[in-house]
Amino acid sequence: KAGVTQTPRYLIKTRGQQVTLSCSPISGHRSVSWYQQTPGQGLQFLFEYFSETQRNKGNFPGRFSGRQFSNSRSEMNVSTLELGDSALYLCASSLNGGDTEAFFGQGTRLTVV
Amino acid sequence: GIQVEQSPPDLILQEGANSTLRCNFSDSVNNLQWFHQNPWGQLINLFYIPSGTKQNGRLSATTVATERYSLLYISSSQTTDSGVYFCAGWNQGGKLIFGQGTELSVKP
Repeated sequence: KAGVTQTPRYLIKTRGQQVTLSCSPISGHRSVSWYQQTPGQGLQFLFEYFSETQRNKGNFPGRFSGRQFSNSRSEMNVSTLELGDSALYLCASSLNGGDTEAFFGQGTRLTVV
Repeated sequence: GIQVEQSPPDLILQEGANSTLRCNFSDSVNNLQWFHQNPWGQLINLFYIPSGTKQNGRLSATTVATERYSLLYISSSQTTDSGVYFCAGWNQGGKLIFGQGTELSVKP
């Protein structure tokens, strides 16, 4: 079966712009979580969506937002980009979220210049 | 406190050697997973191992949930095993919490 698909793979944006990243989970999985990976902070949880509702949220500013559609695909949006937002953004797909195995996409590498 | 802690942070091996990576996790974390991050950044699932022992080829993992640790064994290492290994567990808030990783380098 198809894995987790993230698009785009690479992005270069300018400070102040906004960006939207997409994640299509494994068929049948209803939970999508987003993570930010930077060299200094490691892998940090952004938020989780389950059945179109944000169920959990990490400690990120309100510039980071997301949504989930009825087909479980999720989008993450970052507004007013800052240099520090440069990172690898990973999404994880799981059946029901906590306590079920998570599978990750290939990631979107965002560079803010 | 630290919820998921990995050791060692770095490991250099000669091809053919065996290694053990350790993951300690707090009471608030459960249902451990091990991942290998490939050079392109993707996290590849190795094991989903809430407890017990699993094996897949040269890799095996053991989680002793009552003592809050998990071990990943790599036998007869190959250069393609190089990369960063992460363990992660789910906390009660429904978040997957990652350790800082072990960077493995296997030399030919």
